[in-house]
Parts: sequence; structure tokens; C-alpha cells
Amino acid sequence: DIVMTQSPDSLAVSLGERATINCKSSQSIFFSLNDKNYLAWYQQKPGQPPKLLIYWASTRESGVPDRFSGSGSGTDFTLTIDSLQAEDVAVYFCQHYYSTPPGTFGQGTKLEIK
Amino acid sequence: QVTLRESGPALVEPTQTLTLTCTFSGFSLTTSGMCVSWIRQPPGKALEWLALIDWDDEQYYTTSLETRLTISKDTSKNQVVLTMTNMDPVDTATYFCARTSTVTGALDYWGQGTLVTVSS
Repeated sequence: DIVMTQSPDSLAVSLGERATINCKSSQSIFFSLNDKNYLAWYQQKPGQPPKLLIYWASTRESGVPDRFSGSGSGTDFTLTIDSLQAEDVAVYFCQHYYSTPPGTFGQGTKLEIK
Repeated sequence: QVTLRESGPALVEPTQTLTLTCTFSGFSLTTSGMCVSWIRQPPGKALEWLALIDWDDEQYYTTSLETRLTISKDTSKNQVVLTMTNMDPVDTATYFCARTSTVTGALDYWGQGTLVTVSS
């Protein structure tokens, strides 16, 4: 099975600053036939289900603010939150959906305000 | 408008079988590319994908639990059912169902989740 490892486990960033969360897969999740990386990012606030932010590694889900962006390819990926807002405090998870069965998640990164 | 809702017992005893139902609306599991998954999250811990069923009735399970899990669908009722046998206190978690479509490939709509506690 593909293992997803996030770093850091927790992160404190000042309001208005940039937050960067990394995710590394144990093998490539890039499919050359369709030129897609099978990687998603989710945001989970306390007491709520996860919310899809980014899919195909860099495509923002409808309604997600453009301060959220995803990048990377192959095995190394990054979620960037520009100009951090108070409402961005949450736990962020990456997930691959490359193989069958799909769906391994990273361990999560807790984002707080400094 | 896509919605999913989980239902089932809040408390099960060790060794019992858990049956959870996901009732959804706003899409059809007969549409090519549509899938529904079950995911769980122990209190304060990470997400764990459990099982998936697709529009063609193909089923997939996480390898560590596949001997205990069964996923099925009833398209006439817009429901997906997950059963997990031989429940243990370590299976205490919030259980979510979620949809996948070919547009995103990811889990784009989630239910609110249902907390299942395993205790005698």
C-alpha cells in the first residue's frame, strides 16, 4: 500500500502570513496517460467532516478561496495557504487515490494561529 | 444538491457486528464513475479509508480489515450499507460516508459522520 507522510505534524502561523504543509507519498502517484497526480487535500474543523479543498494535486474545488493552492508532482506535494485567516485554523489531510484500493490519508497537520 | 447521511447504532458490544447505512441524495449510484466510500476516524486521530463501492457494484476494501468488512448498495433506496464483524474497542470511531465522482476523483461530498462506541 502507498503510505502518505505529512510534515510538519503541527504548525503555528501568524495571521496574514503564509502556511505551507507538505505531503510525501511512498511511490509516485502520477499517471502519465492522463497527466494527473492522484492527490487531494482536505480541511477538517472540530466537530465537522473533512472538506475537499484541492484535487488532482492542484485543482481548487468550487467555492474554495484562492488563497489555498496545491502544487507538486510524483511523490512530493505542497498545500499553501496565503494570507492566513482565523477561519483557516483546522487539521489538514492529504490523500492519494492512485491505486486500488484507493484512499490512504496522511496523518494530518494541525494548523494554529501564532 | 448532494447530501449523505450516516445512520446506525451509537453503541455496540465487543464481538458484535456493526451495520451502518449511508442514505444519499442528489446523485445516482447507477451513473458511470460514481462511488461511495466509508471512512473512519478514531477520536483525535487520522482518517482511515475502509471500503468503496462503485456504480458497477465493484467493491474494494482496505487490506488490513478486508476479512471483517462488507459493503453493498441498494440503488432503489439510494443507500450504501457497511457491515463490520467482530467489533473491538479499538474500532471506536466516527464513521463517515463520502462520494467520489470522476470529475474530482476525490471524496467531494461527505456525511456528518456517526460516532460508534464499542464497549460492554
